[in-house]
Amino acid sequence: GNSVTQMEGPVTLSEEAFLTINCTYTATGYPSLFWYVQYPGEGLQLLLKATKADDKGSNKGFEATYRKETTSFHLEKGSVQVSDSAVYFCALSDSAGGYQKVTFGIGTKLQVIP
Amino acid sequence: DVKVTQSSRYLVKRTGEKVFLECVQDMDHENMFWYRQDPGLGLRLIYFSYDVKMKEKGDIPEGYSVSREKKERFSLILESASTNQTSMYLCASTLALAGSTDTQYFGPGTRLTVL
Repeated sequence: GNSVTQMEGPVTLSEEAFLTINCTYTATGYPSLFWYVQYPGEGLQLLLKATKADDKGSNKGFEATYRKETTSFHLEKGSVQVSDSAVYFCALSDSAGGYQKVTFGIGTKLQVIP
Repeated sequence: DVKVTQSSRYLVKRTGEKVFLECVQDMDHENMFWYRQDPGLGLRLIYFSYDVKMKEKGDIPEGYSVSREKKERFSLILESASTNQTSMYLCASTLALAGSTDTQYFGPGTRLTVL
């Protein structure tokens, strides 16, 4: 079956530091890849997505590139802010069997300190 | 903007009680999902529904049932709550009938504690 691997953290960074959160996946077929973010006390919301190999998703200064050769979708941001403190979930989605099935990673908690 | 609402943010129940968690979306989405979120385990799919009165088991359906009588509403039912069902429950919806590219829209979650 499908799976997504990411570190749980917490990842602690100082403001303006460079962020990388690694995400690797195993899947059959051609899944779409997502990063969702969960701010404290809230549900998940889409951060960015990529639907085919070599696509780059970007939003709010975050980027991730769909790398089929390394089965990866690492999240990066050049300069983090305190407001980026949240839990970040990598996810893959396919439609095998006719319905969308989403597999989530365990989530990586990011703490940004001033 | 899509809005997904859940009936309670926090809920405390006793072992053996029947528990109803309600989810409503306002954007005419076809698909609705129930997940539970636990530390170290991420999100796990309990049930999903692709149409009114239709449901499919997810990865961990044991101890749960669901109901979808109207398109906008998807209910999760714990027939006899147990302490191992203490968790954060998240509802989500998507527009498409099929296809892997659709974004999931989540509610704020219900934190359920079973004593």
